[in-house]
Amino acid sequence: SQQGEEDPQALSIQEGENATMNCSYKTSINNLQWYRQNSGRGLVHLILIRSNEREKHSGRLRVTLDTSKKSSSLLITASRAADTASYFCATDDGSGSRLTFGEGTQLTVNP
Amino acid sequence: NAGVTQTPKFQVLKTGQSMTLQCAQDMNHEYMSWYRQDPGMGLRLIHYSVGAGITDQGEVPNGYNVSRSTTEDFPLRLLSAAPSQTSVYFCASSRSYNTDTQYFGPGTRLTVL
Repeated sequence: SQQGEEDPQALSIQEGENATMNCSYKTSINNLQWYRQNSGRGLVHLILIRSNEREKHSGRLRVTLDTSKKSSSLLITASRAADTASYFCATDDGSGSRLTFGEGTQLTVNP
Repeated sequence: NAGVTQTPKFQVLKTGQSMTLQCAQDMNHEYMSWYRQDPGMGLRLIHYSVGAGITDQGEVPNGYNVSRSTTEDFPLRLLSAAPSQTSVYFCASSRSYNTDTQYFGPGTRLTVL
């Protein structure tokens, strides 16, 4: 069963707008990660947030983590057409040795 | 550095055939793993290894074998291919034994007829 679930499944926005994706998970975690996958390619790591962190930034990316609600959000500001991709959250199982991915959010940024 | 490499990129098998998907990394990473991705879905963990000589099962291990004789290589063997194993397979590695930042290979697209 999937540990992380993303919402929405698909998101279509205009260039310049912000995109927000959410991830919910079920069990205690050590960290939560976000990955991007362009069509037909491997996944690329975007950002990792640890369970004792609440917010993290990297360039145009902002990730928040609420362990009490078992949820995280990924915000992409000032989106570009090149941000079009699938975005996945991934959580460990608490042991640190297994990573579980959600089903992803397909983001389309229209020029 | 080449990072994580996978061969082949594409493969077509007949039901019952066996084959090995190759994965290698040149980053001296301890942790390596194999995932499969089915259409419209996330990745599911097949097997993983926390170091040479150590392997363990993930979420969907049935029908697959792995070994880790060296730090660099982590091959995935399909023992008797079935149509349900049609998928895209990704290998990944990370620096430490725990699930830190994963570096993914480009994937192998496998079709079983």
